Amino acid sequence: NAGVMQNPRHLVRRRGQEARLRCSPMKGHSHVYWYRQLPEEGLKFMVYLQKENIIDESGMPKERFSAEFPKEGPSILRIQQVVRGDSAAYFCASSPLGGTGELFFGEGSRLTVL
Amino acid sequence: AQRVTQPEKLLSVFKGAPVELKCNYSYSGSPELFWYVQYSRQRLQLLLRHISRESIKGFTADLNKGETSFHLKKPFAQEEDSAMYYCALSDPGNQFYFGTGTSLTVIP
Repeated sequence: NAGVMQNPRHLVRRRGQEARLRCSPMKGHSHVYWYRQLPEEGLKFMVYLQKENIIDESGMPKERFSAEFPKEGPSILRIQQVVRGDSAAYFCASSPLGGTGELFFGEGSRLTVL
Repeated sequence: AQRVTQPEKLLSVFKGAPVELKCNYSYSGSPELFWYVQYSRQRLQLLLRHISRESIKGFTADLNKGETSFHLKKPFAQEEDSAMYYCALSDPGNQFYFGTGTSLTVIP
């Protein structure tokens, strides 16, 4: 089991471009969580998804940000028209169906907006 | 609303000294509480959870419902304990809330 895989590990975008971050959960896991890490703010919850469903997106900014977890393929966090303030590390975590109370994290994707 | 509070962003202790990382939570009901750790250049991983009541790498944490705290303790800090520590809470809906983290440095 390869663990939670995130790619790209590093992404550089210019202001106004789109950023797509991908997360493949651990095999057998159907819950995916996205967190954003800023230096002074720790881990901030963004969105919680199950296959084809958004369970809780209360942490997502209302504009420009979207997330999906399709039936097939990885979960994708999409940021449109990026701004410098979007520069951060974005972490994905997964847990199995029913939840065991443990999250398994990816190594993160670091987005830099020039 | 901030559900998990870690008041110390930075904490330094000498090797062999006791260490306590503070965590307070705000939640009505019975949450599950965890400590996660991120060592340098590694991914965030579970250190311990209150339900299991076990000691991992010499660390323990006791849930104090009266004080709504879940402080992480170790009697004798080691250099390899230097890392970022996050306290986390999960609710019955499988939602997880993390504190802002405490960066622990153990001085040789």
